Parts: sequence; structure tokens; C-alpha cells
Amino acid sequence: GDSVTQMEGPVTLSEEAFLTINCTYTATGYPSLFWYVQYPGEGLQLLLKATKADDKGSNKGFEATYRKETTSFHLEKGSVQVSDSAVYFCALRRNSGGSNYKLTFGKGTLLTVNP
Amino acid sequence: GAVVSQHPSWVICKSGTSVKIECRSLDFQATTMFWYRQFPKQSLMLMATSNEGSKATYEQGVEKDKFLINHASLTLSTLTVTSAHPEDSSFYICSASLAGPYEQYFGPGTRLTVT
Repeated sequence: GDSVTQMEGPVTLSEEAFLTINCTYTATGYPSLFWYVQYPGEGLQLLLKATKADDKGSNKGFEATYRKETTSFHLEKGSVQVSDSAVYFCALRRNSGGSNYKLTFGKGTLLTVNP
Repeated sequence: GAVVSQHPSWVICKSGTSVKIECRSLDFQATTMFWYRQFPKQSLMLMATSNEGSKATYEQGVEKDKFLINHASLTLSTLTVTSAHPEDSSFYICSASLAGPYEQYFGPGTRLTVT
């Protein structure tokens, strides 16, 4: 079945440091890939997405590139801020009607950014 | 983005009682709603998918008689945990989307504690 593996946290960085959170996936066909963010006490929000190989999703300074050859979708940001402290989830969605378009999530990575 | 609300945000109930959690899409008609369960420091586990006007599709291992899902309108789905036990204590999250490969919008979650 489908699965998503992301690096386990927690990750603790200083402000303005470079961030990478690794994510790899296993799925049949050509899934869409997502990064969601969950701030403390809030629901999940879509951070960025990519729907086909070599697509790059970007938002709020975060980027991730859909790499089919390595089945990866690593999240990066060049300079993190304290406000980026949150839990980040990598997810995939199989793009076929039979799957009901459901999302499969990784376990989440807690990021803490210190001033 | 679209707004999805959940009510209540937290609930404490006694073992053996039932509790109902509501999920509402506030500014769009959600053809499909998803219910997830999130354990501490773990991923979101999809419990079931419901399409308006039809029976929910439950994931393997989820007891349909224990977790009753109703999706009677395009803006409301409910999850009822029947005869709750302490092991049902968890964070329950819903999401809503249009039918097909459209973005899921997540609610803020409901913290259930069974004593």
C-alpha cells in the first residue's frame, strides 16, 4: 500500500538557519504530493503541493521538488523564523477515483525555531 | 482558503457514554468529508470517508458500529463515538472537499477524553 516516510524529529534550529525535512514515499502510479503544517492548537493547513514529477511547490519561503527517480519530496527553507515552529506533515494522494482521493500522511516532524 | 469548523473543540465524557462531534464546511458545499484520528506524536490515521447522502466508507480496522458517521447535508458531517472507552481518547480531525482530486480543508480538531 501507499506510505510516506519523513524524518523523525524533533528538529531544533536557530533563527535564520537552513531547514531540510526529508520525505520519501511509496505509491503506485503518479501520486500528488503535499506538505501540510500544523501550528500549535490549530488544524492542518496546506503549505505547498506538487502534482507531477519535477514540479516544485513553494509558499512562504518553503520549497519542495517532486523527484520521481528518488521518490522524494524534501521540504526546504533557506532562513527559518520563530513563527515557523510547528509540526510539518508530508502526504501523498493517489489520483484515481477508486482511492476516493484520500491522503496518506507521514508521522510528522516537530520543528522548533529558537530566537 | 475554505473554512471548516468542528464542534466541540474538546470534550470529556464518562466511559460507556456516547459523544457526537460535528464538522461543518462554512463557505462551500463539501461533497466529501474525511474523518481522521491523531495519536500523540503520530500521524493522522484516516478512519472513514463520507460522501453526502451515502454510507461512509471505513478504513480497515475501524469499527463502523463504534464510530458512526453521518453526512446528511453538503455542509455537515457528524462522528458519533458510541459507548466510549478510555482507549478512544484521541484527537479527531475532519476535512472537507469537493468530489474528486480537490484540496482537503481541515478542521481544527476535537480533543476527546474518556474517563
